[in-house]
Amino acid sequence: GAVVSQHPSRVICKSGTSVKIECRSLDFQATTMFWYRQFPKKSLMLMATSNEGSKATYEQGVEKDKFLINHASLTLSTLTVTSAHPEDSSFYICSGTSGGGGETQYFGPGTRLLVL
Amino acid sequence: RKEVEQDPGPFNVPEGATVAFNCTYSNSASQSFFWYRQDCRKEPKLLMSVYSSGNEDGRFTAQLNRASQYISLLIRDSKLSDSATYLCVVNRESGGGADGLTFGKGTHLIIQP
Repeated sequence: GAVVSQHPSRVICKSGTSVKIECRSLDFQATTMFWYRQFPKKSLMLMATSNEGSKATYEQGVEKDKFLINHASLTLSTLTVTSAHPEDSSFYICSGTSGGGGETQYFGPGTRLLVL
Repeated sequence: RKEVEQDPGPFNVPEGATVAFNCTYSNSASQSFFWYRQDCRKEPKLLMSVYSSGNEDGRFTAQLNRASQYISLLIRDSKLSDSATYLCVVNRESGGGADGLTFGKGTHLIIQP
């Protein structure tokens, strides 16, 4: 299957700082990338969908000014958590797909964010 | 009603046994269905897609009943390495562009030696 990487794998930061997470598709062009997060013992929840070169579409309840998403190329999407707070501590996972509908999504290994 | 509902378990099953998981989904417009497995503190990995005609991949068999909005996964001859959380996953829209996925909370499976 296709490979997606994420960086960093884990990050600890102070409250109020911003954190950038990178998601890269290593061996395919990801037309669409998705950002999910998973709180402990909860299901993965879609945060936003981003298509290369256009603005991300955010799910209800996800603040677009807090979670900045950039999908500048077909192999890279970034999620920036601005002014992070302890309640933003979570497991953030990206996925990418090369197709337009029904295609398999390939997940990155995730980034564990801990905000102190 | 939750979008994708699963029994969280845990299911404690002896090695070699057969185990079945079920899942129901609420969005009747969904077109794509999957089972993923997730190991502790790891990302989900695709186990198999689920088709209306039912499909099999080695020891794993998946079934879809669109009328009942019900998906199942059967694992035969379970191995210790099958211990994981199994996620029932449904796409969010009926088509027209790539769609985000809706995940169930997962069913935790523990295979005991």
